[in-house]
Amino acid sequence: QVQLVQSGAEVKKPGASVKVSCKASGYTFTGYYMHWVRQAPGQGLEWMGWINPNSGNTNYAQSFQGRVTMTRDTSISTAYMELSSLISDDTAVYYCAREAAYGSGSPFDYWGQGTLVPVSS
Amino acid sequence: DIQVTQSPSSLSASVGDRVTITCRASQSISSFLNWYQQKPGKAPKVLMYDATNLQTGVPSRFSGSESGTDFTLTISTLQPEDFATYYCQQSYSTPWTFGQGTKVEIK
Repeated sequence: QVQLVQSGAEVKKPGASVKVSCKASGYTFTGYYMHWVRQAPGQGLEWMGWINPNSGNTNYAQSFQGRVTMTRDTSISTAYMELSSLISDDTAVYYCAREAAYGSGSPFDYWGQGTLVPVSS
Repeated sequence: DIQVTQSPSSLSASVGDRVTITCRASQSISSFLNWYQQKPGKAPKVLMYDATNLQTGVPSRFSGSESGTDFTLTISTLQPEDFATYYCQQSYSTPWTFGQGTKVEIK
């Protein structure tokens, strides 16, 4: 069965970076785009960007440009999201989510369990 | 960026009620509108995709409709397990954007 397993919670100080991993299993990792979505405490969902695990191509939301880097390691079917220059407003649960292969604009059909990243001095 | 305005932000309903949630896109998004359900402490779960298509495994009491840039999620007969927060999301163009969410609470 399809599973996305994310790395554990990490407490960070302002100005630091965080790198969250998302290990995929149960499907062909390179066959599906992987997205990252975050959710601040008590707030809604915010799309951060995607990576094509096959090519490594990425597309980031403008609000994260210059601070986010999405990478992948196909040998271990794992996607990564690194966010730098953290501020308190980056405190959130970060999710990886697989884009279904229904065609252009498919929904996110599988999600990781989420990784909590508190940013506090 | 395409804005997606969801309403209401919350509602109270009883088991057995019919519930309707609406999203309005700021421009045409064709049918690229998805609906998710999220329960506390859990990741979202897709319910509907392309406005009117039921995701595999989702109960048929959930349905979606569209009229221009207006999209609706309907729960025909609310069940106890349906109390949750619901989000719409446009996947027409990046940045993909979500509605603000609708919390469905027990009356």
